[in-house]
Amino acid sequence: DTGVSQNPRHKITKRGQNVTFRCDPISEHNRLYWYRQTLGQGPEFLTYFQNEAQLEKSRLLSDRFSAERPKGSFSTLEIQRTEQGDSAMYLCASSLDIAEAFFGQGTRLTVV
Amino acid sequence: DQQVKQNSPSLSVQEGRISILNCDYTNSMFDYFLWYKKYPAEGPTFLISISSIKDKNEDGRFTVFLNKSAKHLSLHIVPSQPGDSAVYFCAASIGTASKLTFGTGTRLQVTL
Repeated sequence: DTGVSQNPRHKITKRGQNVTFRCDPISEHNRLYWYRQTLGQGPEFLTYFQNEAQLEKSRLLSDRFSAERPKGSFSTLEIQRTEQGDSAMYLCASSLDIAEAFFGQGTRLTVV
Repeated sequence: DQQVKQNSPSLSVQEGRISILNCDYTNSMFDYFLWYKKYPAEGPTFLISISSIKDKNEDGRFTVFLNKSAKHLSLHIVPSQPGDSAVYFCAASIGTASKLTFGTGTRLQVTL
């Protein structure tokens, strides 16, 4: 297992378009997290799954954002009607019932 | 409301000397603390953690100290090496299996 994998690594999209990111966690990890990081800030929590259940969502996660983890394995994060303020690095992390989460390399989104 | 604060955006240390990175938190519910290291274009990598029942945890060149009464923790790197040059994030959680709240990071540069 090579760790947490995120695709794509980079995405440039026009304002108003929809985008979807994928995260493949470490295979035996039951918890999967999405974070967002903007320049000069630390990662900010967006949402997390335990297996296929979405257990918590941040108030940062507006109605335009939706995340799924349909079979408790990979996860997708979709942003509808993108805005320039959505430009950020989107990080996925996974863990096995512990706080020490392993992060992927992230997807850098640029909305133009 | 920044619950985890890293007040030094950057730190420069000579190779072989000690690096001390500081972190303060405001939420008294936090009881588990972690340090992550991040290189450019990579996701954060877990370094070391400490539970609130301890005041020190050591792993090789890395030691984390926790002062609960002051709501302060620090990461000591001894001796510092050029490969330690990165951004270091302090993170906190409530319990050992929940989301992480990150600080804004400290950029460490280890010079020759």
